[in-house]
Amino acid sequence: DIQMTQSPSTLSASVGDRITITCRASQTISDWLAWYQQKPGKAPTLLIYKASTLQSGVPSRFSGSGSETEFTLTIKSLQPDDFAAYYCQQYKSYPLSFGGGTKVEIK
Amino acid sequence: QVQLQESGPGLVKPSQTLSLTCNVSGDSFTSGTYYWSWIRQPAGKGLEWVGRFYSTRNTKYNPALESRATISVDTAKNQFSLRLTSVTAADTAVYYCARGTYPHDIFDIWGQGTLVTVSA
Repeated sequence: DIQMTQSPSTLSASVGDRITITCRASQTISDWLAWYQQKPGKAPTLLIYKASTLQSGVPSRFSGSGSETEFTLTIKSLQPDDFAAYYCQQYKSYPLSFGGGTKVEIK
Repeated sequence: QVQLQESGPGLVKPSQTLSLTCNVSGDSFTSGTYYWSWIRQPAGKGLEWVGRFYSTRNTKYNPALESRATISVDTAKNQFSLRLTSVTAADTAVYYCARGTYPHDIFDIWGQGTLVTVSA
């Protein structure tokens, strides 16, 4: 099974900051990686797939990069609506697996 | 517009069977163009993929749950279901149904989730 590890688990930032979240896979997954945003009490929503492809409707301040085992999600200018939890997910092989999550909170 | 809605008992006793249904509107299972999954999330914790089906005879499960989980589909009602047997407190979670794109299982549409508590 492929284990996904995210860091940091919590990130404190201010509106306008540029932030980066890292996701590492326990084995190579090429670019079969997605990122999701989850707000409290809500279901996750898809932000990025294939490591760097923005889902339709997602603001361009979100970007993803990486391949094989190391990936990043960057928000280039944090907005009030972006304070949420973020999860990576590998879909290279079953069982599908998610990272432990990163909570982005207001500093 | 495709929508998913979970339903089922919010409270299940230990050792009993958890049964949930996901009603799908705006899409059809028989199109064969999507996967249909169950994903769960204990309070304050991360996401765990439970399993999925693709067409009526093609199911996959998380090995951690495979011995207890069964996903089935009712094409006439456009619903799919999850049964999880012999539940314990560790199965307490919000359960989501989600649509996964084919051929890569990327979850583009989710239900709102339903909380299931396992308690006597």
